[in-house]
Amino acid sequence: QITLKESGLTLVKPTQTLTLTCTFSGFSLSPSGVGVGWIRQPPGKALEWLALIYWDDDKRFSPSLKSRLTITKDTSKNQVVLTMTNMDPVDTATYYCARHSIATADWYFDVWGRGTLVTVSS
Amino acid sequence: QSVLTQPPSVSGAPGQRITISCTGSSSNIGATYDVHWYQQLPGTAPKVLIFGNTHRPSGVPDRFSGSKSGTSASLAITGLQAEDEADYYCQSYDSSLSAYVFGTGTKVTVL
Repeated sequence: QITLKESGLTLVKPTQTLTLTCTFSGFSLSPSGVGVGWIRQPPGKALEWLALIYWDDDKRFSPSLKSRLTITKDTSKNQVVLTMTNMDPVDTATYYCARHSIATADWYFDVWGRGTLVTVSS
Repeated sequence: QSVLTQPPSVSGAPGQRITISCTGSSSNIGATYDVHWYQQLPGTAPKVLIFGNTHRPSGVPDRFSGSKSGTSASLAITGLQAEDEADYYCQSYDSSLSAYVFGTGTKVTVL
């Protein structure tokens, strides 16, 4: 069974850095041909892709947030860590991690974590 | 602002057939990138419903089907059931943005 779980501080102050950890089981990032990504969803709004990291350490970022994001993996711990700098109240959202797989011609998010609500407030 | 546009809401009576459109452009759906669909039940995480335009993961009822043509894609739900009340999102890749993009989302209501 494949599972992913997000963890990290759920309340951060404006200008602080957010650090979220995705701990997964049931698959490995090395070597496997899959990736792990982060997606967020502000309350009542649509999903927004943030970042991805693949088994070969290839990294992709949302162009609009690239300057604020870092993504790393710890293969031995089955974890992926996302950091987002200079947090603002508009960054308040549920943050999801999800496995990124390819089954036809393109990649998609085939298994999702439950998400963690991050609130940015002073 | 998303580059994939969906109707904000769609409704139907139990047993009816509804469709949800996902309109993109020549840099995403029209560039032959696949479209995937996710269902988000109230208070839960999204779940993949359709991948690769038309493929259903195991466990997804065949009442759900996907299609793609030109710069648009559609999700059809036949035999609508109360349990289908959820938000639905399309997703693809945009080469101009070099980004994975989600649609604006559609709320399905069963009357």
